[in-house]
Amino acid sequence: DAGITQSPRYKITETGRQVTLMCHQTWSHSYMFWYRQDLGHGLRLIYYSAAADITDKGEVSDGYVVSRSKTENFPLTLESATRSQTSVYFCASRIRGQGEQYFGPGTRLTVT
Amino acid sequence: LAKTTQPISMDSYEGQEVNITCSHNNIATNDYITWYQQFPSQGPRFIIQGYKTKVTNEVASLFIPADRKSSTLSLPRVSLSDTAVYYCLVVGYSSASKIIFGSGTRLSIRP
Repeated sequence: DAGITQSPRYKITETGRQVTLMCHQTWSHSYMFWYRQDLGHGLRLIYYSAAADITDKGEVSDGYVVSRSKTENFPLTLESATRSQTSVYFCASRIRGQGEQYFGPGTRLTVT
Repeated sequence: LAKTTQPISMDSYEGQEVNITCSHNNIATNDYITWYQQFPSQGPRFIIQGYKTKVTNEVASLFIPADRKSSTLSLPRVSLSDTAVYYCLVVGYSSASKIIFGSGTRLSIRP
């Protein structure tokens, strides 16, 4: 089915490990976004991408790396996971010139 | 970046109209106002978007005064299923957009 998917949905990892969260959208939307949402709080923007090979930092980008070699994929990598990165991660996409973002189901990451 | 301020929480009853106001004092000329709804364990879902005056869709209405420094999301005849967190965002279109969600308004609907 068309849409935006994230994998894995749940992940437990240890401090210091590298972790990659995957995001895939089937609409060919120009923009893609990564957010984190800590328990009881709003979403904070980590990184966004305006097109393939164009990425930019958001509000809380330290400790994260992204790439976008293809329009439909936008992986997020935690280079060396820390406990403070325990959170729910949401990927989103939108069409250029439109306000509506479409969100994925989220990945719940626990760093022990 | 235009930051937004919303009430932390609101309570209402089924069948009532609920109005959630958001302030965005430093909104830029090219910015739009967008509202999202989020249920527990789900990603946010787009509700409505507007630039000025009034916008209405099948779910809600959005009222934006002439100075655009605030906006009000109006939910008509709410039901228990409208219990959620509502986020007001200011989104720019003139360039690759940076977006701040804020803490949102936790709306609780009672029978």
